[in-house]
Amino acid sequence: EIVLTQSPGTLSLSPGERATLSCRASQSVSSSYLAWYQQKPGQAPRLLIYGASSRATGIPDRFSGSGSGTDFTLTISRLEPEDFAVYYCQQYGSSPFGGGTKVEIK
Amino acid sequence: QLQLQESGPGLVKPSETLSLTCTVSGGSISSSSYYWGWIRQPPGKGLEWIGSIYYSGSTYYNPSLKSRVTISVDTSKNQFSLKLSSVTAADTAVYYCASGVLRFLAMDVWGQGTTVTVSS
Repeated sequence: EIVLTQSPGTLSLSPGERATLSCRASQSVSSSYLAWYQQKPGQAPRLLIYGASSRATGIPDRFSGSGSGTDFTLTISRLEPEDFAVYYCQQYGSSPFGGGTKVEIK
Repeated sequence: QLQLQESGPGLVKPSETLSLTCTVSGGSISSSSYYWGWIRQPPGKGLEWIGSIYYSGSTYYNPSLKSRVTISVDTSKNQFSLKLSSVTAADTAVYYCASGVLRFLAMDVWGQGTTVTVSS
């Protein structure tokens, strides 16, 4: 079973700053099947990125994904107030999620 | 546009079986383009993938829950369901159903979630 480890656990930043979130796999995974999700309090998760780097429908271009093998990154170029949330990675769509990274307002 | 809605009891007694249904609208559950899954989130914790079912009938379950989980599809009702047996308080969570695009293996449509509490 491949384990996804996300870091940091919490990221404290100000609006307008750049956020860099990491998702590391215990074994190499296909970048074709690495996804990122955003979850806000009281809401269902929302798909942000699939295929490691493709934005889902309606996702602003300030969100970008990159990586391959065991190391993947979600970058938010300039944080907007609505971006403060928890972010999860998952591979292959039918497997455990990473533990999540909370992006909070500094 | 695909929409999903969870339904089922909000309270389940310990040792009993939790049963939830997800009704699919705006598309066919028999579509070869999608797969269907259940995810849960205990209070204050992260997302936990429970399992998924594909149009072929193949199922995949979280190893930590595999012995207690069954996911199935009812094509006549355009629904899929979750059964989790021998529940304990640790199974108290918000349960989400979701659909994923097979081509990308990512879940792009989610239900709103339903809270299930395990308590006597």
